[in-house]
Amino acid sequence: QQQVKQSPQSLIVQKGGISIINCAYENTAFDYFPWYQQFPGKGPALLIAIRPDVSEKKEGRFTISFNKSAKQFSLHIMDSQPGDSATYFCAARTENAGNMLTFGGGTRLMVKP
Amino acid sequence: ETGVTQSPTHLIKTRGQQVTLRCSSQSGHNTVSWYQQALGQGPQFIFQYYREEENGRGNFPPRFSGLQFPNYSSELNVNALELDDSALYLCASSLEVPGGYTFGSGTRLTVV
Repeated sequence: QQQVKQSPQSLIVQKGGISIINCAYENTAFDYFPWYQQFPGKGPALLIAIRPDVSEKKEGRFTISFNKSAKQFSLHIMDSQPGDSATYFCAARTENAGNMLTFGGGTRLMVKP
Repeated sequence: ETGVTQSPTHLIKTRGQQVTLRCSSQSGHNTVSWYQQALGQGPQFIFQYYREEENGRGNFPPRFSGLQFPNYSSELNVNALELDDSALYLCASSLEVPGGYTFGSGTRLTVV
C-alpha cells in the first residue's frame, strides 16, 4: 500500500531547541524521500531530500536520518528558530511511478521565542 | 527565472458546477503535476502531464481532467463539483521525469 505515516501532528519547541519529526513508509519500492516546508497561503517548498543508499544527510540546520531496515526516516531541525514555524511534510516517491509523491499527513511546528 | 504561477488564487463555486484552474510552469520545466490538499492534510496526487500527455494518475474520478499545452502550461478541470472538492489545488512543475518539484501557491477552491 502506498502510505506514508507522519508524527507528531503538532509540535511546540522552544527557540534554540531541536525539532524532530518522524515518518514511516510501507512500500519498499520508494527510492526518494523529500521533506517539504509549507507556510500558510503558500505551496510546499523542498527543504531537503535523501535516497535510501544514504543513512544521513545534513544541510545547514536540517538533517534527515534514514533507517532502511525499519522503513523510517526523520527530520531534525537543530537550533530551531521562530521563523521555522510552519507545516512540514515528509514524502516518498518511486521512480517507476514518474513524479508521483506520496505525502505524510503533516506536522505543524511552532517555535516559541 | 520565474516560478510556478497559478490562477485564480481563490474561487467559490456551487455544487454541480464546473471549474477550470490554470498553471504556468517554471521556465524550462516540461512536466506538470496537480495535487489536491484538503484542509489539515498532506497533498494528494491527482495526475501528471509530460510533453502534453497524461503519464500518471492518482485515485481521482474521471470528472477530474487536465490538459498541458505546447508551452507546458496546464489546466485542471473538475466537472460536477461536490462539496468534498473544496481544497487547495497545487500545481508543481519539474524538468523531466523524475525530477525535483517546484510548487505554486495554489488555488483555494470552495464549493458551496
